[in-house]
Amino acid sequence: GQNIDQPTEMTATEGAIVQINCTYQTSGFNGLFWYQQHAGEAPTFLSYNVLDGLEEKGRFSSFLSRSKGYSYLLLKELQMKDSASYLCAAMDSNYQLIWGAGTKLIIKP
Amino acid sequence: DAMVIQNPRYQVTQFGKPVTLSCSQTLNHNVMYWYQQKSSQAPKLLFHYYDKDFNNEADTPDNFQSRRPNTSFCFLDIRSPGLGDAAMYLCATSRVNDGAEKLFFGSGTQLSVL
Repeated sequence: GQNIDQPTEMTATEGAIVQINCTYQTSGFNGLFWYQQHAGEAPTFLSYNVLDGLEEKGRFSSFLSRSKGYSYLLLKELQMKDSASYLCAAMDSNYQLIWGAGTKLIIKP
Repeated sequence: DAMVIQNPRYQVTQFGKPVTLSCSQTLNHNVMYWYQQKSSQAPKLLFHYYDKDFNNEADTPDNFQSRRPNTSFCFLDIRSPGLGDAAMYLCATSRVNDGAEKLFFGSGTQLSVL
Protein backbone atom coordinates (compact mmCIF):
# COMPACT_ATOMS: atom_id res chain seq x y z
CA GLY A 1 0.00 0.00 0.00
CA GLN A 2 0.88 3.63 -0.16
CA ASN A 3 1.62 5.59 2.96
CA ILE A 4 3.43 8.53 4.48
CA ASP A 5 4.99 8.60 7.95
CA GLN A 6 5.90 11.74 9.82
CA PRO A 7 6.06 12.56 13.53
CA THR A 8 2.82 13.69 15.11
CA GLU A 9 4.25 16.58 17.08
CA MET A 10 7.54 18.38 17.66
CA THR A 11 8.58 21.21 19.96
CA ALA A 12 11.36 23.71 19.33
CA THR A 13 12.61 27.01 20.68
CA GLU A 14 12.32 30.39 18.99
CA GLY A 15 15.50 31.15 17.05
CA ALA A 16 16.57 27.50 16.86
CA ILE A 17 16.61 25.00 13.97
CA VAL A 18 14.22 22.07 13.58
CA GLN A 19 14.15 19.16 11.13
CA ILE A 20 10.87 17.42 10.32
CA ASN A 21 11.30 13.99 8.78
CA CYS A 22 9.03 12.17 6.36
CA THR A 23 9.24 8.68 4.90
CA TYR A 24 7.06 7.55 2.04
CA GLN A 25 6.02 4.46 0.13
CA THR A 26 4.21 5.02 -3.14
CA SER A 27 3.46 3.24 -6.40
CA GLY A 28 5.85 5.16 -8.56
CA PHE A 29 7.09 8.60 -7.63
CA ASN A 30 6.65 12.03 -9.14
CA GLY A 31 7.93 14.23 -6.38
CA LEU A 32 7.55 15.20 -2.76
CA PHE A 33 5.69 18.27 -1.51
CA TRP A 34 5.75 20.09 1.80
CA TYR A 35 2.84 22.28 2.87
CA GLN A 36 2.36 24.49 5.92
CA GLN A 37 -1.05 24.59 7.58
CA HIS A 38 -1.97 26.96 10.40
CA ALA A 39 -4.80 25.85 12.67
CA GLY A 40 -8.18 26.27 10.99
CA GLU A 41 -6.66 27.37 7.70
CA ALA A 42 -5.88 25.78 4.35
CA PRO A 43 -2.46 24.33 3.49
CA THR A 44 -0.01 26.60 1.71
CA PHE A 45 2.76 25.33 -0.54
CA LEU A 46 6.31 25.38 0.81
CA SER A 47 8.48 23.20 -1.42
CA TYR A 48 8.69 20.52 -4.08
CA ASN A 49 11.54 18.03 -4.59
CA VAL A 50 11.78 15.46 -7.35
CA LEU A 51 15.56 15.04 -7.59
CA ASP A 52 17.85 13.95 -4.77
CA GLY A 53 19.40 16.72 -2.76
CA LEU A 54 18.69 19.87 -0.84
CA GLU A 55 16.52 22.75 -2.05
CA GLU A 56 16.97 25.96 -0.08
CA LYS A 57 14.38 28.72 0.03
CA GLY A 58 15.11 31.37 2.62
CA ARG A 59 14.73 30.01 6.15
CA PHE A 60 13.19 26.79 4.84
CA SER A 61 15.03 23.96 3.09
CA SER A 62 13.80 20.58 1.89
CA PHE A 63 15.80 17.45 1.25
CA LEU A 64 14.99 14.32 -0.72
CA SER A 65 16.55 10.86 -0.99
CA ARG A 66 14.61 8.81 -3.52
CA SER A 67 16.56 5.62 -2.83
CA LYS A 68 15.62 5.81 0.85
CA GLY A 69 12.08 7.08 0.38
CA TYR A 70 12.94 9.91 2.74
CA SER A 71 12.57 13.65 2.92
CA TYR A 72 13.00 16.30 5.54
CA LEU A 73 11.99 19.91 5.98
CA LEU A 74 14.52 22.10 7.75
CA LEU A 75 13.38 25.31 9.38
CA LYS A 76 16.02 27.78 10.54
CA GLU A 77 15.82 30.84 12.80
CA LEU A 78 12.46 29.73 14.07
CA GLN A 79 9.82 32.38 14.65
CA MET A 80 6.63 32.12 16.67
CA LYS A 81 4.61 32.38 13.43
CA ASP A 82 6.18 29.08 12.31
CA SER A 83 3.93 27.29 14.81
CA ALA A 84 1.77 25.22 12.47
CA SER A 85 1.31 21.74 11.06
CA TYR A 86 3.67 20.67 8.30
CA LEU A 87 2.24 18.22 5.81
CA CYS A 88 4.36 15.92 3.69
CA ALA A 89 2.77 14.63 0.48
CA ALA A 90 4.23 12.29 -2.15
CA MET A 91 2.97 12.16 -5.71
CA ASP A 92 2.55 8.69 -7.16
CA SER A 93 2.82 7.45 -10.75
CA ASN A 94 -0.77 8.60 -11.46
CA TYR A 95 0.06 12.11 -10.24
CA GLN A 96 -2.12 11.55 -7.18
CA LEU A 97 -0.96 13.03 -3.88
CA ILE A 98 -0.56 10.74 -0.89
CA TRP A 99 -0.75 12.90 2.21
CA GLY A 100 0.73 12.49 5.64
CA ALA A 101 -1.28 13.46 8.72
CA GLY A 102 1.06 16.35 9.39
CA THR A 103 3.56 17.24 12.07
CA LYS A 104 2.37 19.80 14.57
CA LEU A 105 5.27 22.12 15.36
CA ILE A 106 5.11 24.00 18.64
CA ILE A 107 7.50 26.94 19.04
CA LYS A 108 8.34 28.06 22.57
CA PRO A 109 9.83 31.46 23.43
CA ASP B 1 -5.15 38.55 -7.52
CA ALA B 2 -5.81 35.15 -9.03
CA MET B 3 -7.01 32.78 -6.39
CA VAL B 4 -9.25 29.97 -5.17
CA ILE B 5 -12.31 31.18 -3.29
CA GLN B 6 -14.50 29.08 -1.05
CA ASN B 7 -17.85 30.08 0.37
CA PRO B 8 -18.92 30.12 3.06
CA ARG B 9 -15.94 30.11 5.44
CA TYR B 10 -18.09 28.50 8.15
CA GLN B 11 -21.25 26.48 7.55
CA VAL B 12 -23.59 25.09 10.16
CA THR B 13 -26.22 22.59 9.11
CA GLN B 14 -28.62 20.22 10.80
CA PHE B 15 -28.34 16.48 10.82
CA GLY B 16 -29.83 15.21 7.55
CA LYS B 17 -30.33 18.66 5.99
CA PRO B 18 -28.69 18.96 2.54
CA VAL B 19 -25.87 21.43 2.24
CA THR B 20 -23.85 22.77 -0.69
CA LEU B 21 -20.34 24.15 -0.51
CA SER B 22 -18.97 26.24 -3.34
CA CYS B 23 -15.58 26.91 -4.85
CA SER B 24 -14.48 29.24 -7.60
CA GLN B 25 -11.10 29.90 -9.16
CA THR B 26 -9.59 32.64 -11.27
CA LEU B 27 -6.40 30.71 -12.02
CA ASN B 28 -7.84 29.00 -15.10
CA HIS B 29 -6.54 25.68 -13.82
CA ASN B 30 -7.90 22.58 -15.48
CA VAL B 31 -7.96 20.36 -12.39
CA MET B 32 -10.15 20.94 -9.33
CA TYR B 33 -10.20 18.87 -6.16
CA TRP B 34 -12.40 18.46 -3.12
CA TYR B 35 -10.73 17.27 0.07
CA GLN B 36 -12.17 16.48 3.49
CA GLN B 37 -9.89 17.10 6.45
CA LYS B 38 -10.62 16.26 10.07
CA SER B 39 -8.59 17.57 12.96
CA SER B 40 -4.98 16.29 13.03
CA GLN B 41 -5.59 14.06 10.03
CA ALA B 42 -4.36 14.02 6.46
CA PRO B 43 -6.57 15.63 3.82
CA LYS B 44 -8.75 12.93 2.25
CA LEU B 45 -9.47 13.27 -1.45
CA LEU B 46 -13.19 13.00 -2.22
CA PHE B 47 -13.31 13.90 -5.93
CA HIS B 48 -11.33 15.57 -8.62
CA TYR B 49 -12.11 16.91 -12.08
CA TYR B 50 -9.58 16.79 -14.88
CA ASP B 51 -11.20 19.33 -17.18
CA LYS B 52 -14.74 17.96 -17.44
CA ASP B 53 -13.80 14.41 -16.52
CA PHE B 54 -15.11 13.52 -13.09
CA ASN B 55 -13.10 11.18 -10.86
CA ASN B 56 -14.70 9.73 -7.78
CA GLU B 57 -12.46 8.16 -5.14
CA ALA B 58 -13.50 4.57 -4.42
CA ASP B 59 -14.15 5.19 -0.73
CA THR B 60 -16.09 8.45 -1.09
CA PRO B 61 -19.55 7.88 0.38
CA ASP B 62 -22.58 8.16 -1.92
CA ASN B 63 -23.80 10.91 0.38
CA PHE B 64 -21.26 13.20 -1.29
CA GLN B 65 -21.83 14.51 -4.80
CA SER B 66 -20.05 17.10 -6.89
CA ARG B 67 -20.75 19.35 -9.85
CA ARG B 68 -18.48 21.39 -12.07
CA PRO B 69 -20.71 23.47 -14.36
CA ASN B 70 -17.74 25.28 -15.92
CA THR B 71 -13.99 25.68 -15.57
CA SER B 72 -14.25 28.26 -12.83
CA PHE B 73 -16.80 26.74 -10.46
CA CYS B 74 -17.12 23.54 -8.50
CA PHE B 75 -19.70 22.48 -5.90
CA LEU B 76 -19.77 19.87 -3.19
CA ASP B 77 -23.22 18.60 -2.23
CA ILE B 78 -23.76 16.62 0.96
CA ARG B 79 -27.19 15.10 0.62
CA SER B 80 -27.81 14.01 4.22
CA PRO B 81 -25.06 15.24 6.52
CA GLY B 82 -24.26 13.10 9.52
CA LEU B 83 -22.32 14.03 12.62
CA GLY B 84 -19.28 12.27 11.15
CA ASP B 85 -19.27 14.67 8.20
CA ALA B 86 -18.27 17.60 10.37
CA ALA B 87 -14.88 18.59 9.00
CA MET B 88 -12.94 21.17 7.04
CA TYR B 89 -13.69 20.90 3.31
CA LEU B 90 -10.88 22.10 1.11
CA CYS B 91 -11.11 22.98 -2.55
CA ALA B 92 -7.87 22.99 -4.52
CA THR B 93 -6.80 23.54 -8.10
CA SER B 94 -3.79 22.68 -10.19
CA ARG B 95 -2.61 23.03 -13.77
CA VAL B 96 -1.53 19.62 -14.87
CA ASN B 97 0.53 19.46 -18.03
CA ASP B 98 1.69 15.87 -17.92
CA GLY B 99 3.80 16.65 -14.90
CA ALA B 100 3.69 17.27 -11.21
CA GLU B 101 2.11 20.57 -10.26
CA LYS B 102 1.51 22.06 -6.86
CA LEU B 103 -2.00 22.51 -5.54
CA PHE B 104 -3.48 25.88 -4.76
CA PHE B 105 -5.98 25.71 -1.90
CA GLY B 106 -8.95 27.85 -1.04
CA SER B 107 -9.41 29.00 2.54
CA GLY B 108 -11.65 26.01 3.29
CA THR B 109 -15.18 25.67 4.63
CA GLN B 110 -15.50 24.45 8.20
CA LEU B 111 -18.70 22.42 8.36
CA SER B 112 -20.50 21.83 11.64
CA VAL B 113 -23.41 19.39 11.88
CA LEU B 114 -25.87 19.83 14.74
